Amino acid sequence: NAGVTQTPKFQVLKTGQSMTLQCAQDMNHEYMSWYRQDPGMGLRLIHYSVGAGITDQGEVPNGYNVSRSTTEDFPLRLLSAAPSQTSVYFCASSYSSGTGGAIYGYTFGSGTRLTVV
Amino acid sequence: AQTVTQSQPEMSVQEAETVTLSCTYDTSESDYYLFWYKQPPSRQMILVIRQEAYKQQNATENRFSVNFQKAAKSFSLKISDSQLGDAAMYFCAYRSAYGGATNKLIFGTGTLLAVQP
Repeated sequence: NAGVTQTPKFQVLKTGQSMTLQCAQDMNHEYMSWYRQDPGMGLRLIHYSVGAGITDQGEVPNGYNVSRSTTEDFPLRLLSAAPSQTSVYFCASSYSSGTGGAIYGYTFGSGTRLTVV
Repeated sequence: AQTVTQSQPEMSVQEAETVTLSCTYDTSESDYYLFWYKQPPSRQMILVIRQEAYKQQNATENRFSVNFQKAAKSFSLKISDSQLGDAAMYFCAYRSAYGGATNKLIFGTGTLLAVQP
């Protein structure tokens, strides 16, 4: 029962480089999302997905792409890293609201600390 | 759009004492969920307690309890018999009870709790 697995845990990029943050869950959750955490700003939603093949933008989507080809995986791509993307990134998953099941909150991955120099 | 406000950036409590963290939110919805998450220095996001808006009874989990005032849109967290391990950042969060795009979790900016021995 792994929950939500995020890789890598730490990453340093040079400005302009690209990379993909991986996220996988084994709980058959329909809903997956990516957040970034910056000091004094809480967690802000980047992109989310309500099911395989369906993604949408959150509060701060610029500079990031996502795809959801399977229920389990939801990778986050940085196309051309910028220093403003230095942050801690969290992937989270949950059952969807409105399905009739109880909502127990989100399950979070352990986070990725990304530094762009 | 829904918003969550935590007006106390930092709080301090003596070991074995009681502390209350404040959270207010704004929404036009009648059915939703509220959560408190704990983030210790390990960075892991840990669900502390959840409250369903249509339930008037305040949620309780061991030493953690909430004071949910729906009309006032207030959701405070009380920690009794504080322990050193309670030191962490605490986030209040809101989630709609409806499906689809409203599944997103909206966070406050957090309260950093210090526990003094």
